[in-house]
Amino acid sequence: DTGVSQDPRHKITKRGQNVTFRCDPISEHNRLYWYRQTLGQGPEFLTYFQNEAQLEKSRLLSDRFSAERPKGSFSTLEIQRTEQGDSAMYLCASSSGTSGRSSYNEQFFGPGTRLTVL
Amino acid sequence: AQTVTQSQPEMSVQEAETVTLSCTYDTSESDYYLFWYKQPPSRQMILVIRQEAYKQQNATENRFSVNFQKAAKSFSLKISDSQLGDAAMYFCALDSNYQLIWGAGTKLIIKP
Repeated sequence: DTGVSQDPRHKITKRGQNVTFRCDPISEHNRLYWYRQTLGQGPEFLTYFQNEAQLEKSRLLSDRFSAERPKGSFSTLEIQRTEQGDSAMYLCASSSGTSGRSSYNEQFFGPGTRLTVL
Repeated sequence: AQTVTQSQPEMSVQEAETVTLSCTYDTSESDYYLFWYKQPPSRQMILVIRQEAYKQQNATENRFSVNFQKAAKSFSLKISDSQLGDAAMYFCALDSNYQLIWGAGTKLIIKP
């Protein structure tokens, strides 16, 4: 395992369907982040895990979005009843460290999952 | 609110020349981190350089260096001896307690 992996890389779905994305972080990393990136914009923070605990959620994460990280390893991001506005690149990142400040440790990013909602 | 602004949507530079990408930010914190990330087309985000706000010395990584002006809340990236492989979107980001606040990005074009 040499990096963060995400699956699938691309997902096309119809409006109203549910989708689930998976992220496998670097194995020794205890922190995991989800971001959303729309075309021509920088990423926007969605949520953050330290081990299995979800410590922070953006107000962007509506009740249609849920993220889990069972056993502090891989993470899943589920979007229920998808809308066209959910079309974006969903990025996962991981980092190591126990410091209270995330930036003591570099975040390593996966290739992203590109979601298209028709 | 913490914000990051990149006012240059696109920049171009001749191969082997030097280019500077601009970034301004706003934060009420006194201790924070600033980053430049590179996102090549269809490839993943890679950290280019990091600056700790309490350090006065500007960070340098090989051909990449920053000009960090804390009072002006400015954080520009200088790329020397530009190479074709430097072509990418460049994002400035501010650490905000477990999350990164990102600028909109600057597309860098390298002319051969």
